[in-house]
Amino acid sequence: DAMVIQNPRYQVTQFGKPVTLSCSQTLNHNVMYWYQQKSSQAPKLLFHYYDKDFNNEADTPDNFQSRRPNTSFCFLDIRSPGLGDAAMYLCATSRDGANEQFFGPGTRLTVL
Amino acid sequence: DQQVKQNSPSLSVQEGRISILNCDYTNSMFDYFLWYKKYPAEGPTFLISISSIKDKNEDGRFTVFLNKSAKHLSLHIVPSQPGDSAVYFCAANYRTGGFKTIFGAGTRLFVKA
Repeated sequence: DAMVIQNPRYQVTQFGKPVTLSCSQTLNHNVMYWYQQKSSQAPKLLFHYYDKDFNNEADTPDNFQSRRPNTSFCFLDIRSPGLGDAAMYLCATSRDGANEQFFGPGTRLTVL
Repeated sequence: DQQVKQNSPSLSVQEGRISILNCDYTNSMFDYFLWYKKYPAEGPTFLISISSIKDKNEDGRFTVFLNKSAKHLSLHIVPSQPGDSAVYFCAANYRTGGFKTIFGAGTRLFVKA
């Protein structure tokens, strides 16, 4: 089945210790997104790639970086996680950005 | 600045009855609206959508209504089933160079057997 896979599903890190979350897709979609979702809040878009073009949201902290080495993979790097970065991180894809998005199961990040 | 608002955090409905989930938006540039459903420990999954040029779209038990003058959309589920119990997110797309999607905070639906 074509799908969006996120690893790991749960990540625990220490305050200030860099962490990388990964996302892969078998849908061959052009667009890949990273969202941050905190409890009972709307998913908040951090950035997205349209093919290789990187689009950063204006209010995404510099602490968050992303890489998309190829169509299938996208990574979220948090350089120095703070307690406020504890959240669910959702990866999504879209064929062209105009229509529905396909989400992975998310990675729940805990910062100690 | 919440451009997409779901004002009801939760909704409880008896099995077999109609569930109505509501969503309000502020940006008149939105041109496509979507509903996603999310079960615990899973990512959101697409449910149904509607273009801004339409006022209704139906897919089986699910119907989305759009009232552009009121900047309001709603999702009707009839009849509701216990398996419909989930969090429902309203989302809206608009063009800004590419496309951008704004999500609401979600409404948790409980369907009681």
